[in-house]
Amino acid sequence: AQSVTQPDIHITVSEGASLELRCNYSYGATPYLFWYVQSPGQGLQLLLKYFSGDTLVQGIKGFEAEFKRSQSSFNLRKPSVHWSDAAEYFCAVGTGTASKLTFGTGTRLQVTL
Amino acid sequence: GAVVSQHPSWVICKSGTSVKIECRSLDFQATTMFWYRQFPKQSLMLMATSNEGSKATYEQGVEKDKFLINHASLTLSTLTVTSAHPEDSSFYICSARDLNRAANEAFFGQGTRLTVV
Repeated sequence: AQSVTQPDIHITVSEGASLELRCNYSYGATPYLFWYVQSPGQGLQLLLKYFSGDTLVQGIKGFEAEFKRSQSSFNLRKPSVHWSDAAEYFCAVGTGTASKLTFGTGTRLQVTL
Repeated sequence: GAVVSQHPSWVICKSGTSVKIECRSLDFQATTMFWYRQFPKQSLMLMATSNEGSKATYEQGVEKDKFLINHASLTLSTLTVTSAHPEDSSFYICSARDLNRAANEAFFGQGTRLTVV
């Protein structure tokens, strides 16, 4: 069965600093990859996704992610973090289809002013 | 396009009562929907796959008699939490699969926060 690992439970960055959130997956083939953000008490918002093609994917809110097959990773990046980016971030994978997803444990991002 | 609506957004119920949560695909037909559960400060875990016109498929450890799923139409799936107890308090979120999208991508509803008192 596939699995998703987000090694960092909690990350704190200063506003304006760069950000990288890590995501590793375990699956025999290339999965469908997603990053979602969840604010406290809210639902999920899709930041970006990778299905195929260019391994560098641009998303909303200035986020990007790079799929690295050799490392089984799909790390999320943002060059300059804003205080409003403070939230929980989930990496998710779909295998076979992009519909039934397995989620990572999440990374809580705190932004200091 | 690909809008999924979940109702209610939040609900409080007494222990022992049942609660129904609806998941609707507003602008597409969804033969398959998925129900996830998220306990506080935890990740989302798939509970079951809802299939239109047939029985739901439950993940290991999920009680099918407690979490009743009905997918009677191509745009509506319902999750009923029967005889709810405080430990059922959680955030429930559905997604609906759009066969017209690449890789049959699914789209999420906004979730339902259930509190059992």
